[in-house]
Amino acid sequence: GESVGLHLPTLSVQEGDNSIINCAYSNSASDYFIWYKQESGKGPQFIIDIRSNMDKRQGQRVTVLLNKTVKHLSLQIAATQPGDSAVYFCAENRGTSGTYKYIFGTGTRLKVLA
Amino acid sequence: ETGVTQTPRHLVMGMTNKKSLKCEQHLGHNAMYWYKQSAKKPLELMFVYSLEERVENNSVPSRFSPECPNSSHLFLHLHTLQPEDSALYLCASSEETTSVTDTQYFGPGTRLTVL
Repeated sequence: GESVGLHLPTLSVQEGDNSIINCAYSNSASDYFIWYKQESGKGPQFIIDIRSNMDKRQGQRVTVLLNKTVKHLSLQIAATQPGDSAVYFCAENRGTSGTYKYIFGTGTRLKVLA
Repeated sequence: ETGVTQTPRHLVMGMTNKKSLKCEQHLGHNAMYWYKQSAKKPLELMFVYSLEERVENNSVPSRFSPECPNSSHLFLHLHTLQPEDSALYLCASSEETTSVTDTQYFGPGTRLTVL
């Protein structure tokens, strides 16, 4: 079936380096994508989103890239900090008005090494 | 904090018990959601409420019974659960379900253990 998935279950990066977390999606009709961060013992926290009519969107230290040709989404974190350690997962929003539904990936654990 | 609170944060119950999970949102949103998060699995949507009306029941067993008395509160009533129902139950809210860019904000979750 259609799904949103992640290539790497665990990513370890050195503090100060840049992190790249990837996500593949299978529904080319999906119009909206979100990255969430989930720290231990907490619920998912919204990080950044992007519409399908955009290729790139930047936030504070984070950038989301969308490649519709290969149905690939990535999250880039600049100058990774210990507080960035968490599970990150992407979600796509698909459906029609009144029935929009998020489809979530399984998540990638980011470990920041001191 | 996201403006979505959940109680209790942890719950241990036997298979014959009846318990309820509570969610409250302080964001003025019109839609609320229950999700189940199990280890190594994606978030699973359980129920969606829009303006206190249930608009989605994602093939959830009847031992899970949601209730939405108003747009700020959402409950999940549990009875005769199975050990495989042990998971983190997350509540979320959003402004509405009619926009593709509708962002969902999550509570901290209730960690449920069924013995």
